[in-house]
Amino acid sequence: KQEVTQIPAALSVPEGENLVLNCSFTDSAIYNLQWFRQDPGKGLTSLLLIQSSQREQTSGRLNASLDKSSGRSTLYIAASQPGDSATYLCAVRTSGFQKLVFGTGTRLLVSP
Amino acid sequence: SQTIHQWPATLVQPVGSPLSLECTVEGTSNPNLYWYRQAAGRGLQLLFYSVGIGQISSEVPQNLSASRPQDRQFILSSKKLLLSDSGFYLCAWSELLAGGPGELFFGEGSRLTVL
Repeated sequence: KQEVTQIPAALSVPEGENLVLNCSFTDSAIYNLQWFRQDPGKGLTSLLLIQSSQREQTSGRLNASLDKSSGRSTLYIAASQPGDSATYLCAVRTSGFQKLVFGTGTRLLVSP
Repeated sequence: SQTIHQWPATLVQPVGSPLSLECTVEGTSNPNLYWYRQAAGRGLQLLFYSVGIGQISSEVPQNLSASRPQDRQFILSSKKLLLSDSGFYLCAWSELLAGGPGELFFGEGSRLTVL
């Protein structure tokens, strides 16, 4: 059974700092991995999708990496801004395709 | 471009009453459709998914049901709500690409409170 863990559960940083969010999964037979952000009371916004054959994806100040063999993904946020404050979730699509298993998220607070 | 609409945004219902949440996707054909629930302090739980009209797969046994009467419409229902049905319900869609499901996109969510 696939399990996804995100550490830390919460993170508070000053504006401008570069930061790394971690995601680990127990079964390396994944199809893809997706990072989302969720603002309070809102739906999830897709940030990056990494296919199992890829090592990283970049979008603006965000960079996500994938190491299937070690069961890890990281989300790197450069030059953080207060607007980056949100909960960040990673999700792994298992080899069965339909089921996306979510981590419990990292709550990020960026202070001005 | 593709969009997903979900309603109502907020719902307060008494125990034992029925439920109907609706979700529609625009700008794509034959999407995979999903219903997730996010309970307070817990992660996202997949409730149902559908790969086509009338095709529903249930992930968790419960008093909820789902239907897909049209290609881009997905409905979550209950005949009698329980207190434990309270939560944040999220509809999502993905394209079915050659190698499998693509990126997952979520609606804005429906917050259900059962009293």
